[in-house]
Amino acid sequence: GAVVSQHPSWVICKSGTSVKIECRSLDFQATTMFWYRQFPKQSLMLMATSNEGSKATYEQGVEKDKFLINHASLTLSTLTVTSAHPEDSSFYICSARDLRGTEQYFGPGTRLTVT
Amino acid sequence: GIQVEQSPPDLILQEGANSTLRCNFSDSVNNLQWFHQNPWGQLINLFYIPSGTKQNGRLSATTVATERYSLLYISSSQTTDSGVYFCAVGKGGGADGLTFGKGTHLIIQP
Repeated sequence: GAVVSQHPSWVICKSGTSVKIECRSLDFQATTMFWYRQFPKQSLMLMATSNEGSKATYEQGVEKDKFLINHASLTLSTLTVTSAHPEDSSFYICSARDLRGTEQYFGPGTRLTVT
Repeated sequence: GIQVEQSPPDLILQEGANSTLRCNFSDSVNNLQWFHQNPWGQLINLFYIPSGTKQNGRLSATTVATERYSLLYISSSQTTDSGVYFCAVGKGGGADGLTFGKGTHLIIQP
């Protein structure tokens, strides 16, 4: 149980285009999902908290107009990187919290390369 | 915000050895998780352990919440244990994201 999927696993896009990443909880409902970013050989950094049916909360320094988050259902959150630039190239990982607890379960991540 | 420090940053051991990884945190927490990140980047949940002791096979973990540290023990290491181990903590009632330490890079040599 407690499986989280992400799609796509990897994506290459041209500078200036937008990319959407999906995060799904497959066997549980999640009112709260989280988006993290990991640069090479670094740790994970929280970008934003996504709550079903409400606006996302962004961490300091994360541009909300650049990283659009939508949490339309209890099993799906999406992250859209708008007008991507090479510096947005990174490993993006989502997590989901089961309704019943505080433990977070992580997706396999999406590797974004912007050329 | 809360600070998380992991030690050692790097650890090289021979197969069969035991190891202890440490995680210190700067404030009270209600979520502490240990992860193993595999070479493809997937975070594998090892333990959810905001307090107390748990064991799962060759791995065990202890969190002493009052002293703000957690330990991850790996016994009889195997080459497949290699990778980066992260400790992450959270406050609040589950609505908060996790703050990660910088990780311990473990290499198990055959």
